[in-house]
Amino acid sequence: AQSVTQLDSQVPVFEEAPVELRCNYSSSVSVYLFWYVQYPNQGLQLLLKYLSGSTLVESINGFEAEFNKSQTSFHLRKPSVHISDTAEYFCAVSVAGNTGKLIFGQGTTLQVKP
Amino acid sequence: KAGVTQTPRYLIKTRGQQVTLSCSPISGHRSVSWYQQTPGQGLQFLFEYFSETQRNKGNFPGRFSGRQFSNSRSEMNVSTLELGDSALYLCASSWNRGGPGETQYFGPGTRLLVL
Repeated sequence: AQSVTQLDSQVPVFEEAPVELRCNYSSSVSVYLFWYVQYPNQGLQLLLKYLSGSTLVESINGFEAEFNKSQTSFHLRKPSVHISDTAEYFCAVSVAGNTGKLIFGQGTTLQVKP
Repeated sequence: KAGVTQTPRYLIKTRGQQVTLSCSPISGHRSVSWYQQTPGQGLQFLFEYFSETQRNKGNFPGRFSGRQFSNSRSEMNVSTLELGDSALYLCASSWNRGGPGETQYFGPGTRLLVL
């Protein structure tokens, strides 16, 4: 069975500081990895995903994540955060054969302070 | 292109009642997945439909059911509501066969409160 662990439930950070949201997964088969963001009273939006190839993936709004197979991690980073990045972030995995199913971590609330 | 829409957005029911939630996927998307989001359990997969067939199911009791219509719109039904069914119910659609690498696009959710 697959599982996802987000190591921090809340991450407070000051505006323009760097941030890292940690995600580890457990799986005996190859996985596909996703980061989603949820703003208050909204659904989830895809930030970025890793399918194969380069282990570093980037989003259009400055976030990046690196797939590390040996450490089974997919940490999300941003070099300089903005107030507007305040939201809940979810790491998720999917595997072949488990159609249409994303397995989510518990989420990390990023609180950006002025 | 319009996003995933869910109706109603908010719902209040009492224990023992049943409820039906609706989801319209992005035009052209054929796979629809449903999730339950609660503070305690987080986001949990309910089921997935493709071409009117349920292809995958999560670990929920039989009170939770769903269906998909020929236009890919989907409904989920919860019978005999319990207090613990209070949650945000999210649906997500994807383009093709709902394969593991496909992006799922989420609707805003239906917030269900059971009293």
